[in-house]
Amino acid sequence: DADVTQTPRNRITKTGKRIMLECSQTKGHDRMYWYRQDPGLGLRLIYYSFDVKDINKGEISDGYSVSRQAQAKFSLSLESAIPNQTALYFCATSDRTGGPTGELFFGEGSRLTVL
Amino acid sequence: DQQVKQNSPSLSVQEGRISILNCDYTNSMFDYFLWYKKYPAEGPTFLISISSIKDKNEDGRFTVFLNKSAKHLSLHIVPSQPGDSAVYFCAASAPGTYKYIFGTGTRLKVLA
Repeated sequence: DADVTQTPRNRITKTGKRIMLECSQTKGHDRMYWYRQDPGLGLRLIYYSFDVKDINKGEISDGYSVSRQAQAKFSLSLESAIPNQTALYFCATSDRTGGPTGELFFGEGSRLTVL
Repeated sequence: DQQVKQNSPSLSVQEGRISILNCDYTNSMFDYFLWYKKYPAEGPTFLISISSIKDKNEDGRFTVFLNKSAKHLSLHIVPSQPGDSAVYFCAASAPGTYKYIFGTGTRLKVLA
């Protein structure tokens, strides 16, 4: 089983609909992140959280909201989806202690298409 | 404003030769850099990192070089293998932020 699990893996929706992408992790990490990937734009940070009570905006938070329901769960919501939110979304985690590298561990991604 | 730039969208290399992927950054506060590899339909996976106190870090076939004065880092893969064909992202972090800014990625194709 993956350490960082994203659901759904694929979703097609219509403009104006509310969408929630969920992320859960079994790594025991405190820090969780949501990124989106677009062709030619790389990975851009949407929101990040260092613990249940700590939520921070990233580079492109407009149109998105998040909820950190527990240490292991971090959800991304699109309250009213629009076509330019069509992208591949990644959840990632990181250890508070940073470990030897402080690296991010990514989920497999959620592909969202907004028609 | 793109703080981390990968100016080459794609690169093709013959199997067995060296692959050199480049990354430039503008924020002089960045002190930790990572490279990630991404295959289609998978999440990015960590490859190698380097701290600003070093100018080189090596792990098997992968070596990352950091030139702080030029705000430039590069990833060398020697020898390149077909399984190295993927998109490579560099990422940077500033002290105490615990967040990573990614570049736009370079698609490497290793030809057999």
